[in-house]
This record gives sequence, structure tokens and C-alpha cells, in this order.
Amino acid sequence: KQEVTQIPAALSVPEGENLVLNCSFTDSAIYNLQWFRQDPGKGLTSLLLIQSSQREQTSGRLNASLDKSSGRSTLYIAASQPGDSATYLCAVSHNQAGTALIFGKGTTLSVSS
Amino acid sequence: DGGITQSPKYLFRKEGQNVTLSCEQNLNHDAMYWYRQDPGQGLRLIYYSQIVNDFQKGDIAEGYSVSREKKESFPLTVTSAQKNPTAFYLCASSIGQGENSPLHFGNGTRLTVT
Repeated sequence: KQEVTQIPAALSVPEGENLVLNCSFTDSAIYNLQWFRQDPGKGLTSLLLIQSSQREQTSGRLNASLDKSSGRSTLYIAASQPGDSATYLCAVSHNQAGTALIFGKGTTLSVSS
Repeated sequence: DGGITQSPKYLFRKEGQNVTLSCEQNLNHDAMYWYRQDPGQGLRLIYYSQIVNDFQKGDIAEGYSVSREKKESFPLTVTSAQKNPTAFYLCASSIGQGENSPLHFGNGTRLTVT
């Protein structure tokens, strides 16, 4: 059964730092991997989707990479800002349930000014 | 604006009562999902539907029921058989199968059962 792990569980950095969030998964047979952002008490916002045939995706200060063979993805945030403070979740779409996703527990990021 | 609307935002019920959570989308998406989120745990899939009049159980379907009579709507009923119903419930939708189908989420319903 697919398992998704995110390390670290929490991260605190000063404003301006570049940082990397990690996501690993046990079954490499995936359709895609998504990174989401969740603010407290809110729903999830899709940040980036990497298809299984792709190696990375970029949006603004965010860059996500995917290494299917090793079961890993990273989310790189450049020049972090206090507004980036949130919980970041990764999720993989696996074969057995079509488009339904398996989520990690998330990394809670705090960026101080 | 297109999106997913979940209502109500907060819901309080007494133990033993059934309660229905609403989820409506105007994105013209075929697939819809219900997830449950508990503190310290990842999102867990309750039910999903890839087409009208069809739905499948997720990992934790016991004590829940759904219907998909319209493409836009996917209500979730939390029955009295659900042992730990207090949680944050999230509805989502996507275009459908395929490698490039990002998930769109509503803002959730926080259910408290006492």
C-alpha cells in the first residue's frame, strides 16, 4: 500500500531564506504528484502538479522536482516570506484508485520577519 | 468565479444524529471526493465519484454515505454508525482521469459531535 512521508514535520526560518521541503513515497507507480498549501482552518490550494513523465515544475518562487525511481520529491521555496507560512502537503495519485490521492501529513512552515 | 462551495463552515450535532454536509462545484468537473482531516494525520479518503450516479468507497467509508445524482453535487452523510465523527471534512473535485488533473478543494466543514 502506498505510503507518503514528509520530513520535517515543522520548520522555522527567517525571512529571505531559501528552503527545501521533502516528500517520499513507497510505490513508484504513480500518475502524478501534487504539492498543496493549507492555511489554518482552510481548504487546500494546489501549488504544483508534476506528471509521472516530468522531472520538475516551476511557479514563481516555487520549484518542485520528482524522482520516481527513488520515490522522492522536493519543494524548493526561494526567498521565503512571512506570507509563505502555512502547512505544505504532498500527495501522489496511485494506480489502484485512479485519480484519488494519497497524502502525506504535511510540513508546517513558519517564516519570521 | 468557478470553485467548490462547502456548507456550512461549522456544524454541531448531538451523538446519534445523522448529518449531511453539502458540496457543490461549478467547475464542470467529472470527479469529486470527500476527505477527512484529523490533527496529526494526513487526509484520508472517505468516498469518491468519477461520474454521475457512480461512487466508490475510499479508505475509511464505514459510517458514511454519499450520493451523486447531479454532476455539480456530492453530499456526504455522516451517520450515527461513525464512531469518531468529529473532524474537518474536505470536498474536492478534478477534471477526471489522466495525468494532468489537479485537485481543487473547498474550504471545508468542521463537524463537532457531542
